[in-house]
Amino acid sequence: QQPVQSPQAVILREGEDAVINCSSSKALYSVHWYRQKHGEAPIFLMILLKGGEQKGHDKISASFNEKKQQSSLYLTASQLSYSGTYFCGTETGMNTGFQKLVFGTGTRLLVSP
Amino acid sequence: DTEVTQTPKHLVMGMTNKKSLKCEQHMGHRAMYWYKQKAKKPPELMFVYSYEKLSINESVPSRFSPECPNSSLLNLHLHALQPEDSALYLCASSQGQFQYFGAGTRLSVL
Repeated sequence: QQPVQSPQAVILREGEDAVINCSSSKALYSVHWYRQKHGEAPIFLMILLKGGEQKGHDKISASFNEKKQQSSLYLTASQLSYSGTYFCGTETGMNTGFQKLVFGTGTRLLVSP
Repeated sequence: DTEVTQTPKHLVMGMTNKKSLKCEQHMGHRAMYWYKQKAKKPPELMFVYSYEKLSINESVPSRFSPECPNSSLLNLHLHALQPEDSALYLCASSQGQFQYFGAGTRLSVL
């Protein structure tokens, strides 16, 4: 069963902040965040591991609450380039040499000037 | 070179045709993946190859046949597909904790 993301869609003006949530019904080992623009490859943003810390770079950060089986992606001072569909990818266990990801339902983000 | 290259970009095929999708990476990654993505849906894992051996088959119908001839190349052979198989097929590779994706092959089955 795939993780559920909220909101399904959000429209922002440039410079505004957004939070995207990812909730799983299963215990998680890791959460991966990707952004996909229309017609393009999904691009890796960051990974959060069980027992790890909150991560971030530039104006994008994320947190992972293992007990609640949830992760959140924080976008601050949004830029036009942030537009796209955001997916969380979850792992329920560690695999050697590869990742078995189940992607969430997706959140469509549109940043307008 | 941090690219995963997929060919062709677009493919139209009939239900009786046989075709192949190709994926190539030259990053030295030892894990490669096939995903299927329907419009406005998340990617769904189909197959995982690790060190050129099939590690995961997510109960994919036999009309999809993966092949990993070497560590840089991944193929997906298609035969007797159904119209519901029309989708974007994404390839990815990894060495470490995250995956690099190609832009995909958009497949239409008539």
